[in-house]
Amino acid sequence: DVKVTQSSRYLVKRTGEKVFLECVQDMDHENMFWYRQDPGLGLRLIYFSYDVKMKEKGDIPEGYSVSREKKERFSLILESASTNQTSMYLCASSLTGSSSYEQYFGPGTRLTVT
Amino acid sequence: GDSVTQMEGPVTLSEEAFLTINCTYTATGYPSLFWYVQYPGEGLQLLLKATKADDKGSNKGFEATYRKETTSFHLEKGSVQVSDSAVYFCALSDLKTGNQFYFGTGTSLTVIP
Repeated sequence: DVKVTQSSRYLVKRTGEKVFLECVQDMDHENMFWYRQDPGLGLRLIYFSYDVKMKEKGDIPEGYSVSREKKERFSLILESASTNQTSMYLCASSLTGSSSYEQYFGPGTRLTVT
Repeated sequence: GDSVTQMEGPVTLSEEAFLTINCTYTATGYPSLFWYVQYPGEGLQLLLKATKADDKGSNKGFEATYRKETTSFHLEKGSVQVSDSAVYFCALSDLKTGNQFYFGTGTSLTVIP
């Protein structure tokens, strides 16, 4: 079974802190994605990556950056956390090459910025 | 651009009732369509999918048919259970836009005994 793991289930940080969210997948997927999920807004794509060292902005990249140094790992970085970044963060991965390939999700990290 | 519109919630049903959650889409290419389910405190997991027109996806008693003429992919279940209480997301993937997914806003379902 494909497994996507995220480094923390719950995280509490202070305003202005630098925050790292880690995601690891074990199925050699080329594509990896970071979303945030907020009530009433569904899932919004922050960044995605098609390959090692490659990244593309999603719909809401402001205030975030990403790093993909190894194929299995995709990190989301909040350079200076703010209260409006309090949210559920979901990582996903998928194969490339066909629209029929599903995305596999991690369990999510609930981040609270105080 | 590509998008998905799904029925607003929340939806509350009694056990054994019939469920329909509406989903329509807009796509420039030939998308694949998906339903994901999110149980409380968890990530999303695939419920079912259909990859071409007239395909029917099914799993755990849930079904959805890919209707190109009406650009729809409605989720149905004949008899819901309390354990079906969750948030349901409709999504599409279109190779013309890379392997990005486009998700609906989610529909919360509560089934009461």
